[in-house]
Amino acid sequence: GQQLNQSPQSMFIQEGEDVSMNCTSSSIFNTWLWYKQDPGEGPVLLIALYKAGELTSNGRLTAQFGITRKDSFLNISASIPSDVGIYFCAGQLHSGYALNFGKGTSLLVTP
Amino acid sequence: NAGVTQTPKFRVLKTGQSMTLLCAQDMNHEYMYWYRQDPGMGLRLIHYSVGEGTTAKGEVPDGYNVSRLKKQNFLLGLESAAPSQTSVYFCASSYTLLDLSQNYEQYFGPGTRLTVT
Repeated sequence: GQQLNQSPQSMFIQEGEDVSMNCTSSSIFNTWLWYKQDPGEGPVLLIALYKAGELTSNGRLTAQFGITRKDSFLNISASIPSDVGIYFCAGQLHSGYALNFGKGTSLLVTP
Repeated sequence: NAGVTQTPKFRVLKTGQSMTLLCAQDMNHEYMYWYRQDPGMGLRLIHYSVGEGTTAKGEVPDGYNVSRLKKQNFLLGLESAAPSQTSVYFCASSYTLLDLSQNYEQYFGPGTRLTVT
């Protein structure tokens, strides 16, 4: 499968700071998904994007589907300690197809 | 709804032993998937199923077999475990015929942590 390039690999920030991470691919996707994984748990869906240029928010999280359909970014505003975890981007070409995952961004937030 | 459940949560096998991982979903999803996750990696697809009685190979299918005899269950089998199969295995499901608005979104189980010695 197509491996996505996700950056940064890790982030260490203070509570209250904003966070930005992105994902790029050499192939186009029709859907971009962002997941969060807590230690010992499965990935949990945060935001789904279905249209190029789409900007979608979920609370303090905002994600955008790149116009070229080859990239996406996720922003977290005013981070809090419970934002700690690994964030994965995933691209999908068609409904039902497998997801192509990035390697994840590990986020640590200090109080 | 329990969502996606996996059993067992943990397992230790010796090289050459066999085992079956069970995934169950109660969301009436058509599609089900098995992924493995290794340290520092994203998830990689092992096998998937687009409906009861159908299965297909994913990115890393070697050493695994699957079956989907019932719509709500998807089984992953290791016939002869190898240390390279030490990993965390995740099951996911998606796509409800009556809810096309969410047909791209996959929902994951809590994972099975397998160690092969």
